[in-house]
Amino acid sequence: DVKVTQSSRYLVKRTGEKVFLECVQDMDHENMFWYRQDPGLGLRLIYFSYDVKMKEKGDIPEGYSVSREKKERFSLILESASTNQTSMYLCASSPEGSAYNSPLHFGNGTRLTVT
Amino acid sequence: EDKVVQSPLSLVVHEGDTVTLNCSYEVTNFRSLLWYKQEKKAPTFLFMLTSSGIEKKSGRLSSILDKKELFSILNITATQTGDSAIYLCACNAGNNRKLIWGLGTSLAVNP
Repeated sequence: DVKVTQSSRYLVKRTGEKVFLECVQDMDHENMFWYRQDPGLGLRLIYFSYDVKMKEKGDIPEGYSVSREKKERFSLILESASTNQTSMYLCASSPEGSAYNSPLHFGNGTRLTVT
Repeated sequence: EDKVVQSPLSLVVHEGDTVTLNCSYEVTNFRSLLWYKQEKKAPTFLFMLTSSGIEKKSGRLSSILDKKELFSILNITATQTGDSAIYLCACNAGNNRKLIWGLGTSLAVNP
């Protein structure tokens, strides 16, 4: 079974802090994704990566950056956390092929609160 | 602009009821439609639909796609409290790696 592990379940940070959210998958998937999920707005894609050191902006990349130095790990970085980044963050992975012929596998999410 | 609309946004039923959740879409280069169930944490995959009229089934859950009318339904028969969750629908537009997500239907099944 595919396992996508997010390093923290809950996180509380202060405004202006640099925040790292880590995600690791164990199925050798090429594609990895970071979403945020907010009530009334649904799932919104922040960044995705289809290979090591490759990244593409999603729909809401402002205020975020990502790092993919190894295939299994995809990190989301909030350079200077702000209160409007309080949200549930979901990491997902999928194998290559026609990337969405296979469904996404999600991690359990990190609920980030910025005060 | 591509969009996926789910209805209803929320639903409360009693155990044993049958429910039908709707997902309509306007997506260029449509490839597939996916259904996920989200309880307290990670969305878990239910179905992927690519062809019209072919029902996919898993236990009490079933789903079908109509590519002419641009919608899908997810049916749950003999509902149980464990079916309480948010049900998410998403479409693959095929020309990139992004999915277009609906806002979800929040289902509550009361004993």
